[in-house]
Amino acid sequence: DTEVTQTPKHLVMGMTNKKSLKCEQHMGHRAMYWYKQKAKKPPELMFVYSYEKLSINESVPSRFSPECPNSSLLNLHLHALQPEDSALYLCASSQLGQGAEQYFGPGTRLTVT
Amino acid sequence: DQQVKQNSPSLSVQEGRISILNCDYTNSMFDYFLWYKKYPAEGPTFLISISSIKDKNEDGRFTVFLNKSAKHLSLHIVPSQPGDSAVYFCAAIYYDKVIFGPGTSLSVIP
Repeated sequence: DTEVTQTPKHLVMGMTNKKSLKCEQHMGHRAMYWYKQKAKKPPELMFVYSYEKLSINESVPSRFSPECPNSSLLNLHLHALQPEDSALYLCASSQLGQGAEQYFGPGTRLTVT
Repeated sequence: DQQVKQNSPSLSVQEGRISILNCDYTNSMFDYFLWYKKYPAEGPTFLISISSIKDKNEDGRFTVFLNKSAKHLSLHIVPSQPGDSAVYFCAAIYYDKVIFGPGTSLSVIP
């Protein structure tokens, strides 16, 4: 199983809402990632988890709150977002170690109104 | 400051011919380089990688060449097929981070 799943596929939320994005993998990968991708731009790294611990936070605003409940699951909690946060949010996972390729999920298309 | 550059936003190639996608980078500390392919509304899919200690890696129709002195790599697709039409991202790994280039949109014309 080389699949990373993400739910929901699409999400529309108001600026006062609280919502969560979910990501799951069953490949035994111990590194998981959140990326944000705007139209016609490359994915931008937001967070990295290694062994369920946050190892990298790319100066992401606190209205984005990641959580890694176990080695297979990664959540991204959203609160008080802005319209400019509308984007495709991609989850990825990989083995730990040099050169390990990341496997990406299909993404959640988020629209903030 | 872009550390990974793909200077051609788009490329059109006839089916059966060779597609060559180029990528330049600025940081000589990058350990690995990868190519990803992305269809609309899907996540990127890993294609092929190369370690900084090698100059060539081949996998089926895909070959990646690395020129460390020029800080340049290229992806060759031979023969190109219509299903190869997608956005191709060059990426570099530095510690736990993957740094993506801006992408090149490849169109393979039947």
